[in-house]
Amino acid sequence: QPVLTQPPSASGTPGQRVTISCSGSSSNIGFEIVNWFQQLPGTAPKLLIYSDDQRPSGVPDRFSGSKSGTSASLAISGLQSEDEADYYCAAWDVSLNVWVFGGGTKLTVL
Amino acid sequence: EVQLVESGGGLVQPGGSLRLSCVGSGFIFSTYYMSWVRQAPGKGLEWVANIKHDGSERYYADSVKGRFTISRDNAKNSLYLQMHSLRVEDTAVYYCTRERTYYDILTGPRFDYWGQGTLVTVSS
Repeated sequence: QPVLTQPPSASGTPGQRVTISCSGSSSNIGFEIVNWFQQLPGTAPKLLIYSDDQRPSGVPDRFSGSKSGTSASLAISGLQSEDEADYYCAAWDVSLNVWVFGGGTKLTVL
Repeated sequence: EVQLVESGGGLVQPGGSLRLSCVGSGFIFSTYYMSWVRQAPGKGLEWVANIKHDGSERYYADSVKGRFTISRDNAKNSLYLQMHSLRVEDTAVYYCTRERTYYDILTGPRFDYWGQGTLVTVSS
């Protein structure tokens, strides 16, 4: 079972705003920075958000991240068909000394 | 341009061994922590192991501890994963990924570049 908890699925229509949650504990999300990844079908994961809320260059500002306590969220506004992908959160766990990932959320654009 | 290229995957019987390699280019390899992350067919991402920029510390997921060894050769810009006592459940695509610079301790990009992955299939 993944240490970080994400909903297995999410959906929205084009133009909508969707959020994906990621729940952890005081030894991972509550202590360390959160990262989000997007994985399109058949491709390697791509870094989407780092340090809780920072976007790498080239990532559209439609994607945003936030964190509060032991939970984090990824928001996607102005949903587009090309956003249909799997999304993962990850953080270092200072108690286990391992990286922990969420189980992934499959986003469907209706 | 940053590139990570994995090799060494293939079909192996349960109990067998395999060594994965990853060559990095386009960045100063010796300044980066590196990780292996795997993905079983139809499943999510699972972190496997990482190694500090100078090879002085390594960490492993419980699922591979004692069976897998991560190492690096900075002179060759290369990362390795030696896998022993392979199990059916180790079947996955294994990704080499650039974790972070040694000086970005509290913040900064993590896993910002990934290789294309190499498939390891453990089956009799």
